Formats: sequence, C-alpha cells, structure tokens
Amino acid sequence: QVQLQESGPGLVKPSETLSLTCTVSGYSISSGYYWGWIRQPPGKGLEWIGSIYHSGSTYYNPSLKSRVTISVDTSKNQFSLKLSSVTAADTAVYYCARAITMVRCFDYWGQGTLVTVSS
Amino acid sequence: EIVLTQSPGTLSLSPGERATLSCRASQSVSSSYLAWYQQKPGQAPRLLIYGASSRATGIPDRFSGSGSGTDFTLTISRLEPEDFAVYYCQQYGSSRGTFGQGTKLEIK
Repeated sequence: QVQLQESGPGLVKPSETLSLTCTVSGYSISSGYYWGWIRQPPGKGLEWIGSIYHSGSTYYNPSLKSRVTISVDTSKNQFSLKLSSVTAADTAVYYCARAITMVRCFDYWGQGTLVTVSS
Repeated sequence: EIVLTQSPGTLSLSPGERATLSCRASQSVSSSYLAWYQQKPGQAPRLLIYGASSRATGIPDRFSGSGSGTDFTLTISRLEPEDFAVYYCQQYGSSRGTFGQGTKLEIK
C-alpha cells in the first residue's frame, strides 16, 4: 500500500521560505509516476502547486512558478517543496500525492500538514 | 486558464436518493482530462473518477462520471451515509490543473 507523509515546520515567517518534505513508503519513487504538491487554504478549495518525476523533470503551476522549487531524493524515497517569499496568503494545508496520470491527477495522498505564515 | 464552476453549491438529499453534481468548464477540457474527488472534514481528497468516466481503484460502482467538452457530471446512484462530503472536480490537461470550488453534499 502506497503511503505518503508530509513533514516540515508548521509556522513560517512572512518573506521567508516554506520547506516541506514528503516521505513515500510502499512504493519506490524510482519505479515511476509523477509526485506532486497540492495546497488548500483553510475553508477553501484546492490548488495544484507542481509535480516531479524521479528523473527530476518538473511541472509547476504558472501562477506559483517563480517562487516554487520541487526536488527529489530517490535514495531516501522523498521529494520536497520549497516556496519562497511567503505571505499570509500561503497559509494552507499542504498535501503531497502521487499522480496516477497526466502529472496533475492524484490517486494517493498524504494526510496533509498545516503551514501558517505569521510573524 | 480554464475555470471550473460546480453546481449546486450545496445539495441536500437523503440516504438512498440519487445525487447529480455538475461541473462546467469555461473552455473545452482536452481529451476529457476531468477528475472528481471526495473530501471529508479533516481528510485528504480521495480520487473517485478520472478521464471523465473511469472509476479509480476501489471506488464503488454507485459512483459514475460522464460528460465531455465543457459539461461534466458526477452521479451517485443511491446515497450511502458515508457519501455525504464535499466533491471537487479538476481538469488536469492544462498547465494549471484547476479545481472547481466544490459542491457540499449534505444530509437532508
């Protein structure tokens, strides 16, 4: 059974960089599929952030592209998200997930982690 | 950017009834790259349907998806108590992979 678990700070200061890691178990990232990040502000809808393949190939949401970096560490079976210059608008539950098809459609999800941007 | 509009915003039904949820796109969704997710409070979304009509692994056959172009529908044939949740559609063929705003399915 594929399982994903997000980890990282729950509080980030404005203008700093948000950093999260997703650890995958039950499946080797190197075996295939794209792996992605999605976020959901409290009480609001979902927004795809970006996705990565084990080779390092990435796709980003154009609305966030200038601030986002997604990387992969196949030796640890992890992938990571960095979002720079954060503001209160970046406060959200951040999910990591596996893309079943076409980079942006997700079948396995982590439980999510709330990141609050506040001084 | 493709904008997805879901209707109704809230749907009140009783267990055993049929639910019909709509998702309308501002422009044609390429190759029916349209998915539906279910989300319960405090939980991650769960993929129900992809490719407009293909059920994801383990999804009961009371869930079905249909549509093409700009109009898509999720149908739940007979509501079970565990089906009351928020449902999102998503188009995943274009660069932003946008989601609709959600339809809340509540118990009447």
